[in-house]
Amino acid sequence: EVQLVESGGGLVQPGGSLRLSCAASGFAFSGFSMTWVRQAPGKGLEWLSFISGTRGDGTIFYADSVRGRFTISRDNAKNSLYLQMTSLRDEDTAVYYCASESPRGGDWFYYWGQGTLVSVSS
Amino acid sequence: QAVVTQEPSLTVSPGGTVTLTCGSNTGAVTSGHYPYWFQQKPGQAPRTLIYDTNNKHSWTPARFSASLLGGKAALTLSGAQPEDEAEYFCFLSYSDTFVFGGGTKLTVL
Repeated sequence: EVQLVESGGGLVQPGGSLRLSCAASGFAFSGFSMTWVRQAPGKGLEWLSFISGTRGDGTIFYADSVRGRFTISRDNAKNSLYLQMTSLRDEDTAVYYCASESPRGGDWFYYWGQGTLVSVSS
Repeated sequence: QAVVTQEPSLTVSPGGTVTLTCGSNTGAVTSGHYPYWFQQKPGQAPRTLIYDTNNKHSWTPARFSASLLGGKAALTLSGAQPEDEAEYFCFLSYSDTFVFGGGTKLTVL
């Protein structure tokens, strides 16, 4: 069974840092591209970042809203995806989801985790 | 910066047909934007209904179809069911950035 499990969320003060993890199981993680998406309370979805898998070319993309503050990375040996978040702001408060590409490619958002809540507040 | 627009809310009668649209402030939406459509129900993660303009997954009900229409991406629901009440988000790819629309809250009533 495929699972994506996010962790690392919590309460952090403005200006602080947090590292989110996404543990993958049940599929060949290293080959698949991964994406982070967030959703502020009661709001819509916001795409944050993308990292290709070994089937790709190491491409990384960031949304303008997080570029320079957030860093996406992956450890294929640990089947894990990360999002290092720094200089956090109130508006970064959201549920953060990781998503993985489909086995046959074409859909970046085939599997989703359940999300982890990040609250930025003093 | 790209902005993707959707109808904030729509209502459809059970058994009825409704079309949701997805536009871009940069111009016409094309297949080169690889449009996606997601369905999200309260308390759940989103799930892909449509990717790459009109490709479905095994879990996508046949009553959903997607196309490009009038310079926008479109999701048509034919024969709405109560379980289709949800929020629907589109997603467009630009050269090096990717944007979700604001979502359409669909009510089946």
